[in-house]
Amino acid sequence: SQQGEEDPQALSIQEGENATMNCSYKTSINNLQWYRQNSGRGLVHLILIRSNEREKHSGRLRVTLDTSKKSSSLLITASRAADTASYFCATESTGTASKLTFGTGTRLQVTL
Amino acid sequence: EAEVAQSPRYKITEKSQAVAFWCDPISGHATLYWYRQILGQGPELLVQFQDESVVDDSQLPKDRFSAERLKGVDSTLKIQPAELGDSAMYLCASSPRPGTGVETQYFGPGTRLLVL
Repeated sequence: SQQGEEDPQALSIQEGENATMNCSYKTSINNLQWYRQNSGRGLVHLILIRSNEREKHSGRLRVTLDTSKKSSSLLITASRAADTASYFCATESTGTASKLTFGTGTRLQVTL
Repeated sequence: EAEVAQSPRYKITEKSQAVAFWCDPISGHATLYWYRQILGQGPELLVQFQDESVVDDSQLPKDRFSAERLKGVDSTLKIQPAELGDSAMYLCASSPRPGTGVETQYFGPGTRLLVL
């Protein structure tokens, strides 16, 4: 079963613009992670934010977490064509160490 | 850089046949996961191993799916008999032992299965 839902399901932007995608989840969590998946390939870990953190940065990525609303957002700044991929949030629920439950994903298309 | 290996990359089979997928995790990773990903959806956990022991197989259709990790290193996922609805990407991932402070999972390239 999918833990999270992501919004939007698909996003199309031009190179240089910022992309924001949102994730909502249902249970208490230890951490929330974001992964990227290029078409037909495996997933690549991008960033992890723990339940006691509210914001985290990594390069052009910015992640926020609001545990009261059970939601997270991923911002990609100054997008590039190479950022075209599907992005998934994944949650590690409390009491389920090392087990991730993935959301439905956002398909990002960055055009030149 | 160490990677998770999976084979085959693609498999086409007819329904009622048996198929098997193989995964070799990153060396030293104690935890191994098998996921199924239907096109357009997120991965869903089928089975999780800690060393050679199954930790979670609650979503594994046990009437037709089986998984093993006999020596706590590589793993095999089998489907017998395959059904049309099994067409999907099968992903393997690994992570270090819990408590090491590394909670991310490292994914292999996946096996794309098509059942005709």
